[in-house]
Amino acid sequence: AQTVTQSQPEMSVQEAETVTLSCTYDTSESDYYLFWYKQPPSRQMILVIRQEAYKQQNATENRFSVNFQKAAKSFSLKISDSQLGDAAMYFCAYLSGTYKYIFGTGTRLKVLA
Amino acid sequence: EAGVTQSPTHLIKTRGQQATLRCSPISGHTSVYWYQQALGLGLQFLLWYDEGEERNRGNFPPRFSGRQFPNYSSELNVNALELEDSALYLCASSSGVQLMNTEAFFGQGTRLTVV
Repeated sequence: AQTVTQSQPEMSVQEAETVTLSCTYDTSESDYYLFWYKQPPSRQMILVIRQEAYKQQNATENRFSVNFQKAAKSFSLKISDSQLGDAAMYFCAYLSGTYKYIFGTGTRLKVLA
Repeated sequence: EAGVTQSPTHLIKTRGQQATLRCSPISGHTSVYWYQQALGLGLQFLLWYDEGEERNRGNFPPRFSGRQFPNYSSELNVNALELEDSALYLCASSSGVQLMNTEAFFGQGTRLTVV
């Protein structure tokens, strides 16, 4: 069965600094998608970035980028120039061939002014 | 365009009662996912419906059930409520099985409290 693990329950970063959130997953499938979702205090889940497993190039969305290591089954999120509005729960998610989204337990990111 | 809407926003029930949670997906979306977000446990997958059929089910007891209507809205029913069912229940919709890389759009959730 596919699993997603986020080993950092909480992280802190100074405003304008860079932080990396870790995510590992386990799967026997070769074709899948990976996502990072953000859940601010408003509870509204928002897609941050997505990565297709067949693409070697790491996805980038403005200040957000991923380090996708397929062989290691690792999918970390890097946030550059952190802003106060980045404070939220971040969930790593795996979309399997059964079209079931599997989420990690989340990492709470605190941004310090 | 309206996003995913869930009702009610908050729900308080007593042990043993039944709870019904509702979800309206984004127009055009045929897939609906249900998740339970209990404190400290992340998002636990409950159910996935697509085109009116249950496609997959998470590791939850049978008292958690649901259905998807012809208009693709969905209902989650929890029978014989227990205290540990208290959680935020999130619904998400996506374009369905036709698109593998489809993004899931989430509602704001229903906070269920069992007392």
